[in-house]
Amino acid sequence: EAGVVQSPRYKIIEKKQPVAFWCNPISGHNTLYWYRQNLGQGPELLIRYENEEAVDDSQLPKDRFSAERLKGVDSTLKIQPAELGDSAVYLCASSPERDRGYEQYFGPGTRLTVT
Amino acid sequence: ILNVEQSPQSLHVQEGDSTNFTCSFPSSNFYALHWYRWETAKSPEALFVMTLNGDEKKKGRISATLNTKEGYSYLYIKGSQPEDSATYLCAAPKGDTGRRALTFGSGTRLQVQP
Repeated sequence: EAGVVQSPRYKIIEKKQPVAFWCNPISGHNTLYWYRQNLGQGPELLIRYENEEAVDDSQLPKDRFSAERLKGVDSTLKIQPAELGDSAVYLCASSPERDRGYEQYFGPGTRLTVT
Repeated sequence: ILNVEQSPQSLHVQEGDSTNFTCSFPSSNFYALHWYRWETAKSPEALFVMTLNGDEKKKGRISATLNTKEGYSYLYIKGSQPEDSATYLCAAPKGDTGRRALTFGSGTRLQVQP
């Protein structure tokens, strides 16, 4: 079974530039998450999708961040314009519909550096 | 707000040493506790999902225990090897369903010297 795929793996951009990250979850997983991990901290949720619906985006900085999951499969996270503080690892995860004790499966992340 | 705390922040051990880390979480409204291992440049890998008080799970040389009444979990590594070097994260779901996002601790960074 293929895992969660993310691209690119690394991205270096100048501040004020736009950037986009792509995620393809494990086939059949309805729930998709985007997390951001800042240096020295644990990952923090940006947005959660159930199929194509964003059901938890309270932590997404909506002035500059946007996300979509149009067909309920792959997803794109965009930042426009990027700021220095956006330098972080952006992780995508997916999980199947399952009862108590589910797991989230993570991709390798995109490491973003804003200069 | 769900606070998940981990200690120590980092640990350096010699090959063959046994070690353990702590994860603490609010004991009220407990749903599940997850442990992940995250090696540099790789995907975080799920180690355990623990749901029952008193649970003990094992995977090779790694084991974990859970105390939901007092709000802590221990992760043990027996006979550490250099390939165990990674950041170990614990996490708990925000809400009372399995599909809520996870709140992570800051992790314990383990370095095993050969």
